[in-house]
Amino acid sequence: EVQLVESGGGLVKPGGSLRLSCAASGFTFSSYSMHWVRLAPGKGLEWVSSISGSSSYIYYADSMKGRFTISRDNAKNSLYLQMNSLRAEDTAVYYCARNPPSSGYGMDVWGQGTTVTVSS
Amino acid sequence: SYELTQPPSVSVSPGQTASITCSGDKLGDKFACWYQQKPGQSPVLVIYQNRKRPSGIPERFSGSNSGNTATLTISGTQAMDEADYYCQAWDSSTVVFGGGTKLTVL
Repeated sequence: EVQLVESGGGLVKPGGSLRLSCAASGFTFSSYSMHWVRLAPGKGLEWVSSISGSSSYIYYADSMKGRFTISRDNAKNSLYLQMNSLRAEDTAVYYCARNPPSSGYGMDVWGQGTTVTVSS
Repeated sequence: SYELTQPPSVSVSPGQTASITCSGDKLGDKFACWYQQKPGQSPVLVIYQNRKRPSGIPERFSGSNSGNTATLTISGTQAMDEADYYCQAWDSSTVVFGGGTKLTVL
């Protein structure tokens, strides 16, 4: 079964750090680009970052640049998001999602999400 | 930065056709996708490459994309289709989501 399972969310104070993980199974992880997408309370989906299968290409949303770092370990079938200098507005459910290599395919598999709460 | 605009809400009666639009500059020159998200659940891809349906998505879901507008059409809308719907496209290798549309079936 194709599956993505996020972990690492929790309560953190403003200015703090958190590392999210996404464990992939049931497919050839290295063949897929991966994304982090978040859903803040009362807001819509917001793309956070993406990474190509070989980690050669990495992209961030402007509001995350310099604070968030995406990475992956294909040997461990895992995706990560290191979040630093967290702000209250980073409070959200964070999802990892895979993107098949075909252009325009979209994010066809999503994890269940992990909740990040930034509050003092 | 590139923006995609959706109506905040759309209402439809059961059995009728619902259309949700997504507007962006020259969106028709890009691929558009659509996601369905129900409360407390993860998003589900319902349309990719403008008009293709992933396996398991009912035939009543269809998509189109031309000019500046992509459209998600749900024919014979059912109560189970009530959800938030998001369009998505790519712009210079970054991902852009629309603001989302709440579909109410009443």
